[in-house]
Amino acid sequence: QSVLTQPPSVSKAPGQRVTISCTGSSSNIGAGYDVYWYQQIPGTAPKLLIYGNTNRPSGVPDRFSGSKSGTSASLAITGLQAEDEADYYCQSYDSRLSGWVFGGGTKLTVL
Amino acid sequence: EVRLVQSGAEVKKPGESLKISCQGSGYSFTSSWIGWVRQMPGKGLEWMGIIYPGDSDTRYSPSFQGQVTISVDKSTSTAYLQWNSLKASDTAMYYCAREAPSTLLSPFDYWGQGTLVTVSS
Repeated sequence: QSVLTQPPSVSKAPGQRVTISCTGSSSNIGAGYDVYWYQQIPGTAPKLLIYGNTNRPSGVPDRFSGSKSGTSASLAITGLQAEDEADYYCQSYDSRLSGWVFGGGTKLTVL
Repeated sequence: EVRLVQSGAEVKKPGESLKISCQGSGYSFTSSWIGWVRQMPGKGLEWMGIIYPGDSDTRYSPSFQGQVTISVDKSTSTAYLQWNSLKASDTAMYYCAREAPSTLLSPFDYWGQGTLVTVSS
């Protein structure tokens, strides 16, 4: 079981909006540590999508946005495109484990 | 351009030792933490540990402490992940990744291409 909990899969039609949740606890997200999101297209290395809870690195479309509240965070993708089909992972720091933790990942299917 | 280039795929037998590498370029190698992440077949990302090349300060995930060794060679800007005795359960893709330069906790902003390790008798 991952320290950060994500839904295993979500699916939406092209053009729609989808949100992916990431639930942690008082030793990670709830302790105020930042949440990061990564996109992993099958067969490739993960790519940083969101940092500092809400910020997008240069080159990431503004269709991707992040939010954080309490012990949870969310990734939202609007105007879904076929190229968004990938696995998405959240990451944060855990003070109890003294290290980084990842969510279990969410497979996004664009129908 | 920041690049992390990992060594090639490995096929090993149980009980054998292995050291895989990750060479950084395009940035100050000694100024950013380098982490290792495991991805077992069809599974998610697992953080294994991290090293600061500047002083070789190393931290391990409790799940991997004692199972692997992370090291670095500053002279070649290369980080290593090593096993003394491989198990079939070590079969996975291993990624190295750079923590973005910062005095605080930072995300992994650049990743290597991955090294596939297969352990089979």
